[in-house]
Amino acid sequence: DTGVSQNPRHKITKRGQNVTFRCDPISEHNRLYWYRQTLGQGPEFLTYFQNEAQLEKSRLLSDRFSAERPKGSFSTLEIQRTEQGDSAMYLCASSPPGDSPLHFGNGTRLTVT
Amino acid sequence: GENVEQHPSTLSVQEGDSAVIKCTYSDSASNYFPWYKQELGKRPQLIIDIRSNVGEKKDQRIAVTLNKTAKHFSLHITETQPEDSAVYFCAAKLAGFQKLVFGTGTRLLVSP
Repeated sequence: DTGVSQNPRHKITKRGQNVTFRCDPISEHNRLYWYRQTLGQGPEFLTYFQNEAQLEKSRLLSDRFSAERPKGSFSTLEIQRTEQGDSAMYLCASSPPGDSPLHFGNGTRLTVT
Repeated sequence: GENVEQHPSTLSVQEGDSAVIKCTYSDSASNYFPWYKQELGKRPQLIIDIRSNVGEKKDQRIAVTLNKTAKHFSLHITETQPEDSAVYFCAAKLAGFQKLVFGTGTRLLVSP
């Protein structure tokens, strides 16, 4: 178990630019989740994949956000036309089939200047 | 939708004391309640979880209790140690969905 891997660890971008983050889940895990965490708050759900299908999506996710998991393995989260309010830690998690707990990655910290 | 409230926001105890963190949830259809520990700059890590068909679960110094009628659940840490210092988050999941709704966190400080 090598854990959930996220890249990059840190990203600084200027307002209006597009950014893309990558998540590699634990290899046997077919479920993948994206959360966002701001300072002093709990993680906030963004979206959930089972294999390659995106089954749940938060209404908080504006049309500037898109996530994919094309082959049911790694996933990408793209934010278009970034805004300062997008600055946060973006956490990816995965879990195996069935009723199982989430395993989080170390996150990608986004700073929009 | 589900809403989770967590109290207190900060908790300071002396080493060896017990610590209790409480959460309430709004949707009676929630059936899974995990607790995560997050140290500064690190990932949230699951420390214990409980399902709605169980009232209490214990793992060494950590226990969780669930009161479905009152819609609240609590984390109990006994014999606290300085390494227990961290932010603790409760969460709830609605049956049939995968989304976890987290509380706002409790910063636990254990003084030697």
